[in-house]
Amino acid sequence: KNEVEQSPQNLTAQEGEFITINCSYSVGISALHWLQQHPGGGIVSLFMLSSGKKKHGRLIATINIQEKHSSLHITASHPRDSAVYICAVRCGGETSGSRLTFGEGTQLTVNP
Amino acid sequence: NAGVTQTPKFQVLKTGQSMTLQCAQDMNHEYMSWYRQDPGMGLRLIHYSVGAGITDQGEVPNGYNVSRSTTEDFPLRLLSAAPSQTSVYFCASSYSIPGRAEQYFGPGTRLTVT
Repeated sequence: KNEVEQSPQNLTAQEGEFITINCSYSVGISALHWLQQHPGGGIVSLFMLSSGKKKHGRLIATINIQEKHSSLHITASHPRDSAVYICAVRCGGETSGSRLTFGEGTQLTVNP
Repeated sequence: NAGVTQTPKFQVLKTGQSMTLQCAQDMNHEYMSWYRQDPGMGLRLIHYSVGAGITDQGEVPNGYNVSRSTTEDFPLRLLSAAPSQTSVYFCASSYSIPGRAEQYFGPGTRLTVT
């Protein structure tokens, strides 16, 4: 079983829909990242969070440390949101050996 | 700032050939990492560096070497390419330990080994 599980693996939505992508992890973590991988392959960091909720534009990320679960929400989805969304968790403490463990990603397609 | 740059973007190698994937960043980040991305799997850490002159192995280091002679550059060397090394390779950097700070990724290198 992977340490980081994302669901769904694939998601198709109509423009304007509210979208939720889930991430569950099985180990204790100190931080969780959400990344976006564009169709061209480039990866950008969306959020880094260790508690609560963060919002940036139409994107909202939440995390529940006790339940070992995070969600990424997209409000008023748009075709340009079509991408792979990747969850990654940071295991380990405040040392240089700390590293990220990645989920397999969720492929989101938003149709006009 | 150019951010994180990688060259080449695409490469085809024959089994047994060697090559170096280049990675450079202009953000004065201490921490740099190399990942590979394969279908059906998440990104996996190959090697990382916490500063010039210091490197360490990640999750899948076999068949790869790295060095870090400057803060800016972190090349990845394939010593004797194998078909199992066909993958997309990403270099990343951050100002703090991996996972504690936002990671900046390069555009990736798509490598095919025949």
